[in-house]
Amino acid sequence: GENVEQHPSTLSVQEGDSAVIKCTYSDSASNYFPWYKQELGKRPQLIIDIRSNVGEKKDQRIAVTLNKTAKHFSLHITETQPEDSAVYFCAATLGTSGTYKYIFGTGTRLKVLA
Amino acid sequence: EPEVTQTPSHQVTQMGQEVILRCVPISNHLYFYWYRQILGQKVEFLVSFYNNEISEKSEIFDDQFSVERPDGSNFTLKIRSTKLEDSAMYFCASREASGGFNEQFFGPGTRLTVL
Repeated sequence: GENVEQHPSTLSVQEGDSAVIKCTYSDSASNYFPWYKQELGKRPQLIIDIRSNVGEKKDQRIAVTLNKTAKHFSLHITETQPEDSAVYFCAATLGTSGTYKYIFGTGTRLKVLA
Repeated sequence: EPEVTQTPSHQVTQMGQEVILRCVPISNHLYFYWYRQILGQKVEFLVSFYNNEISEKSEIFDDQFSVERPDGSNFTLKIRSTKLEDSAMYFCASREASGGFNEQFFGPGTRLTVL
């Protein structure tokens, strides 16, 4: 069935280092891949997204890459800061009749150590 | 900036009771969703709603669940007879237009605790 796998489940990095989170999706029809950041007790917030017709997208310290052939996409955070500490979820959209529901990954708890 | 709002922020109920979770999507949005997140787990899709009807629902969304847009602004999720395993954070989300590339905006969530 529809599935998105996400690794690692936890990630600790030193402040200033880079963090990489990887996701794999199962349905080749997926065409939009958002990344959400969720701080404790708060709503998920979109931080970056990528469409299936693009291989890479960057926004300041955050970048996302997409390999459609391998059905992989990754989040890259450079020069990490303590405020980057949160749970990050990848998602893939699957649409039937235009619903475009999100299938979320299992989340990565990122800890940036000062 | 417009936001999705949800009430209540926390709902405690006894097993077997009915609960209604309320959401006010962003005003010009056309697509509405409910997701749930059991503590420590991933966010799971429950149901999508468009043009006043359910467009898709997951296996979780059984006969105990229903959704409604009663007045053109509110979007509600009703659980008819709550079970212990319904305890979770419930997020409402809305999306602006057709096509798969539009961001879904999430509300702050309602934490449902079933005792």
